[in-house]
Amino acid sequence: EAGVAQSPRYKIIEKRQSVAFWCNPISGHATLYWYQQILGQGPKLLIQFQNNGVVDDSQLPKDRFSAERLKGVDSTLKIQPAKLEDSAVYLCASSSRFPTEAFFGQGTRLTVV
Amino acid sequence: RKEVEQDPGPFNVPEGATVAFNCTYSNSASQSFFWYRQDCRKEPKLLMSVYSSGNEDGRFTAQLNRASQYISLLIRDSKLSDSATYLCVVNVPSDYKLSFGAGTTVTVRA
Repeated sequence: EAGVAQSPRYKIIEKRQSVAFWCNPISGHATLYWYQQILGQGPKLLIQFQNNGVVDDSQLPKDRFSAERLKGVDSTLKIQPAKLEDSAVYLCASSSRFPTEAFFGQGTRLTVV
Repeated sequence: RKEVEQDPGPFNVPEGATVAFNCTYSNSASQSFFWYRQDCRKEPKLLMSVYSSGNEDGRFTAQLNRASQYISLLIRDSKLSDSATYLCVVNVPSDYKLSFGAGTTVTVRA
């Protein structure tokens, strides 16, 4: 069974630039999560989808972050414009049904300079 | 108060030792509990689910104390490969989200 795929693995951008991350969950998984993990901290939920509907985006900085999950499969997370404090690992995870085990992708390590 | 709190450690133990640590959660309505393991610069992976009666998986034992709102993880006969950060994860059904603690770092030395 293929795991959660994320790209790119690494990204370095200047502040005020835009960046987008892509995630393809495990086939058949209805729930998709985007987490932000800052060095030394636990993952923080940014947004959670159930199929193509948003379940929770209460911690998503909506003035600069956006996410979509068209057709209820893969998803993109965008930051525009980026700030220095956005430097973190962005983890995508999926699960077959809530709240069973969440499987994580390898993450995208973003550095904003 | 944070939803999930963990002792950050680090716990530095010799091989063969037993190490245990707790995680406290704030919402008494929490229903599901998990321990995830995260290696350095890797993604989190499920270590074990925590059942109300407590459960054991080889050298790992997890327990839940609903009255005091904490879960614990005990590692017996520590191996070098157990060195990692252990993340406590809690779910509140009405919130439909998994809340992660900041993690407890364990280092096993030879």
